[in-house]
Amino acid sequence: NAGVTQTPKFQVLKTGQSMTLQCAQDMNHEYMSWYRQDPGMGLRLIHYSVGAGITDQGEVPNGYNVSRSTTEDFPLRLLSAAPSQTSVYFCASSYYPEGTGELFFGEGSRLTVL
Amino acid sequence: AQSVAQPEDQVNVAEGNPLTVKCTYSVSGNPYLFWYVQYPNRGLQFLLKYITGDNLVKGSYGFEAEFNKSQTSFHLKKPSALVSDSALYFCAVRDQEGGSYIPTFGRGTSLIVHP
Repeated sequence: NAGVTQTPKFQVLKTGQSMTLQCAQDMNHEYMSWYRQDPGMGLRLIHYSVGAGITDQGEVPNGYNVSRSTTEDFPLRLLSAAPSQTSVYFCASSYYPEGTGELFFGEGSRLTVL
Repeated sequence: AQSVAQPEDQVNVAEGNPLTVKCTYSVSGNPYLFWYVQYPNRGLQFLLKYITGDNLVKGSYGFEAEFNKSQTSFHLKKPSALVSDSALYFCAVRDQEGGSYIPTFGRGTSLIVHP
């Protein structure tokens, strides 16, 4: 059982480049989300989805785009990378849409924008 | 609106001593409360949760937490700390009212267990 799988684990970009962080889960979870983690800032929600075809913005959505074409996958796109997007990104999913279920996290993707 | 506070950035404890990591919350209705642990260069892992029922919740790795509605707290505890418990701990809350799927996380508390 793989759980939540994120790729790549590490990435270095130049300012202005675009890229996609991949997230896949094999637990048939309806809820999926993307967070960024920065020192002293805790976890900040970027985007989330409550099912295929449904996405919404979180706390810090600017510069990021998401789509949810299948239950399993929830990619995060950086449209034009900026140094401020240097961070560790985590994908998380949850089984119970009513809010009682815990989140399952991926191992993270460390992004550096030069 | 929902919020959660972890008042200590860092907690230091000697191995073998009891540990407490504090968490307080604010919600409109009743809370769903969660604790997660993050080891270096890893994702967050679920430790335990309070949904309803018994105020004392037991979780993974010998951790437990006590829900206190009057003090709006959900402190994480362990009777005897291990060096391997050293990690970053996050408290999270979801408000049962409003139907939000989104948890709010605290900023995290770094637990350091000294040999």
